[in-house]
Amino acid sequence: NAGVTQTPKFQVLKTGQSMTLQCAQDMNHEYMSWYRQDPGMGLRLIHYSVGAGITDQGEVPNGYNVSRSTTEDFPLRLLSAAPSQTSVYFCASSYSISTGDGYTFGSGTRLTVV
Amino acid sequence: GIQVEQSPPDLILQEGANSTLRCNFSDSVNNLQWFHQNPWGQLINLFYIPSGTKQNGRLSATTVATERYSLLYISSSQTTDSGVYFCAVVDRGSTLGRLYFGRGTQLTVWP
Repeated sequence: NAGVTQTPKFQVLKTGQSMTLQCAQDMNHEYMSWYRQDPGMGLRLIHYSVGAGITDQGEVPNGYNVSRSTTEDFPLRLLSAAPSQTSVYFCASSYSISTGDGYTFGSGTRLTVV
Repeated sequence: GIQVEQSPPDLILQEGANSTLRCNFSDSVNNLQWFHQNPWGQLINLFYIPSGTKQNGRLSATTVATERYSLLYISSSQTTDSGVYFCAVVDRGSTLGRLYFGRGTQLTVWP
């Protein structure tokens, strides 16, 4: 089925561990992004990409790295997990870079850092 | 960045009631979208509505770009409408499609 696929759905990490959240889309969208959602907040942008090989920081990039080697995949790396990174992470893609039209979200990854 | 404010923060309705959710934004926008996050956490795109009015079944949305607000109407609400409704915008100066989200309206519909 067409859409945005995120894995894993749930993850528990110990402080200091590293991991990669996977995101893949099969809609040939150029624009992909990662958000985090914390209780009582909207979604805050971590990093985004406007095409393969091009990434940039969003509002809350510290502690996260991204790369975009293909149009389909946009993994998010936590280098050294901290309890403040406990959150729900959403990946999204869009076919319109200038307007963000057609935004499609993945089902999310719930991350707990202990 | 652009500021997005949603009201009310919480809304409790009985099934069958109508409701209006509001989104104010601080600057001109290229794009405004409404999303519904269901109780299982899934985010669904409801409307792409930078201006004008759109309707989809019991839901409709109006954006008055010159006055920097948008309204989401839910008529004859059902329990399945429960969840959080988010408004998100892309400011007019942006060429990168970065969405700024409001904090959402938590809607609870009781049978």
